Amino acid sequence: QITLKESGPTLVKPTQTLTLTCTFSGFSLNSAGVGVGWIRQPPGKALEWLALIFWDDETTYSPSLKTRLSITKDTSRNQVVLKVINMDPMDTATYYCAHRPPIALPTPLFDHWGQGTLVAVSS
Amino acid sequence: DVQMTQSPSTLSASVGDRVTITCRASQGITSRLAWYQQQPGKAPKLLISEASALESGVPSRFSGSGFGTDFTLTISRLQPDDFATYYCQQYNTHAATFGQGTKVEI
Repeated sequence: QITLKESGPTLVKPTQTLTLTCTFSGFSLNSAGVGVGWIRQPPGKALEWLALIFWDDETTYSPSLKTRLSITKDTSRNQVVLKVINMDPMDTATYYCAHRPPIALPTPLFDHWGQGTLVAVSS
Repeated sequence: DVQMTQSPSTLSASVGDRVTITCRASQGITSRLAWYQQQPGKAPKLLISEASALESGVPSRFSGSGFGTDFTLTISRLQPDDFATYYCQQYNTHAATFGQGTKVEI
């Protein structure tokens, strides 16, 4: 059974760096084709894909946020970490991590999601 | 970026109705199109991938079709659990993009 859970601060100040951790079970990030991604959703708005890391350490980022994002993995701890620099009130959102299945095309598709964590940006 | 446009934004329906949601891509994405269902306060749930492949455990009243730029999600007989928001997502490029969502309400 695949499960994922996000953890991190619920409130950050503008200009600070947000660090979120996704802890997962039921799969290995050493398995070929597997990945873990991050998606966010501002209150009442649509989903926005942020970043994806693959089993082989390849990473992809949203073009519009690429300069502010960093995704890394710790396979031994079954964790993926997302960092977002220079946080702004517009970054207030629920942040989800999700499992990417080992499909043939190396692109973001997510079949299992964490419950999400709401992060507010305010001074 | 590939832009995804869903219509309608809101859809009012009744239990037992047949409903159709459309999703249009700004450029061709072959069949790399997924549909998600999101209940209020919950994470999205993958319903369909590859435009028409139903995920395991998803009821057969859900179906998807399309190729290239135009796609549809159909719910054949709406059930109470189906009142939710639905999102399409393209994954043909390395930068995934979602539609703006369609809320199916009573």
